Amino acid sequence: DTGVSQDPRHKITKRGQNVTFRCDPISEHNRLYWYRQTLGQGPEFLTYFQNEAQLEKSRLLSDRFSAERPKGSFSTLEIQRTEQGDSAMYLCASSLASLSNSPLHFGNGTRLTVT
Amino acid sequence: ILNVEQSPQSLHVQEGDSTNFTCSFPSSNFYALHWYRWETAKSPEALFVMTLNGDEKKKGRISATLNTKEGYSYLYIKGSQPEDSATYLCAFQGAQKLVFGQGTRLTINP
Repeated sequence: DTGVSQDPRHKITKRGQNVTFRCDPISEHNRLYWYRQTLGQGPEFLTYFQNEAQLEKSRLLSDRFSAERPKGSFSTLEIQRTEQGDSAMYLCASSLASLSNSPLHFGNGTRLTVT
Repeated sequence: ILNVEQSPQSLHVQEGDSTNFTCSFPSSNFYALHWYRWETAKSPEALFVMTLNGDEKKKGRISATLNTKEGYSYLYIKGSQPEDSATYLCAFQGAQKLVFGQGTRLTINP
């Protein structure tokens, strides 16, 4: 068990550019979540997958955000035409859907700065 | 929109003192209540997952209780130590996704 890994750890981009983040969950975990966290706030739900199916996407997310989990393993989160308000920590977490009390296991996050 | 509230937002406690804080959540469509500790420069770490009304969980000096009928959970820390300084997050799990509160930032003063 190598834990949840996220890449990159930090990303600085100019407004208007596209960015893509990757998350590799714990291998046997079938649920994968994306959250966004800004200073002083708790993690804000973005979307989650069970295996390769995207089961829910936050209504707060604009169409500029898209996530995929093509083979039910790693996931990518893409932000198109980035805006300064997208600057945040993007967290990925995974869990086992089969256990009713399965906690989330988080990665170290990707910190995005949009200049 | 699910509302998960934590109070207080921040707390300063003297080393050795005990403390507690609150998580309020919807009392309907309850599946589980999670507590996480988030230390600076690390990723959030699970403390407890509670599913039954009246549940009490303990891990060392930290314990938690759950009241699903009235929609609240308490986290207690006994004899605070400097290493307890962190942000404590609760998360309400409905049918599917987990919704987090804004966290309680705890600072232990030596």
